[in-house]
Amino acid sequence: SQTIHQWPATLVQPVGSPLSLECTVEGTSNPNLYWYRQAAGRGLQLLFYSVGIGQISSEVPQNLSASRPQDRQFILSSKKLLLSDSGFYLCARRGEGTDTQYFGPGTRLTVL
Amino acid sequence: GQNIDQPTEMTATEGAIVQINCTYQTSGFNGLFWYQQHAGEAPTFLSYNVLDGLEEKGRFSSFLSRSKGYSYLLLKELQMKDSASYLCAGFGNEKLTFGTGTRLTIIP
Repeated sequence: SQTIHQWPATLVQPVGSPLSLECTVEGTSNPNLYWYRQAAGRGLQLLFYSVGIGQISSEVPQNLSASRPQDRQFILSSKKLLLSDSGFYLCARRGEGTDTQYFGPGTRLTVL
Repeated sequence: GQNIDQPTEMTATEGAIVQINCTYQTSGFNGLFWYQQHAGEAPTFLSYNVLDGLEEKGRFSSFLSRSKGYSYLLLKELQMKDSASYLCAGFGNEKLTFGTGTRLTIIP
């Protein structure tokens, strides 16, 4: 089966601190991977997507960045968090041979 | 541009039927997704409509009209566990664009 892991599950960080969220995928090779953010009262917003190692597309300008150092690993980072970075961060993979995206369990980030 | 509209909240009675509507404008439109999201959890896939018409999957059905930019999700024989947010998402140019979701509350 194809499984998505995300950690940590919950994170509380002060404003101005760095961030690193990790997503790993099992059971599939070279998947398309996505980072979304869901802020309170808002829909899921696509932040980054990757079609392969080292290939990252950014969807919105912000103080976040993404990297894909390995085929099944997708990392979301920030050098200095803002209050507006608070939200539910979801990693997703595209199913093989389909358009369907499947989500990991998510990381709930609170910036204080 | 990308625009997805769906009602913010709906309430329905256990055992009844509810229809959640969604209108969309998506560049390079390929199809329309519906996801279910329980509070505090990740979204889970419900349905994907590419062609016009109704697709039924157990108690859930989804409809698409490409000419009208319109879709709906129909939930039958409602159960308390169906209380959740239902997310409409247009797929186009290799990307999903989500609406803000419809929070459905089932009452006894």
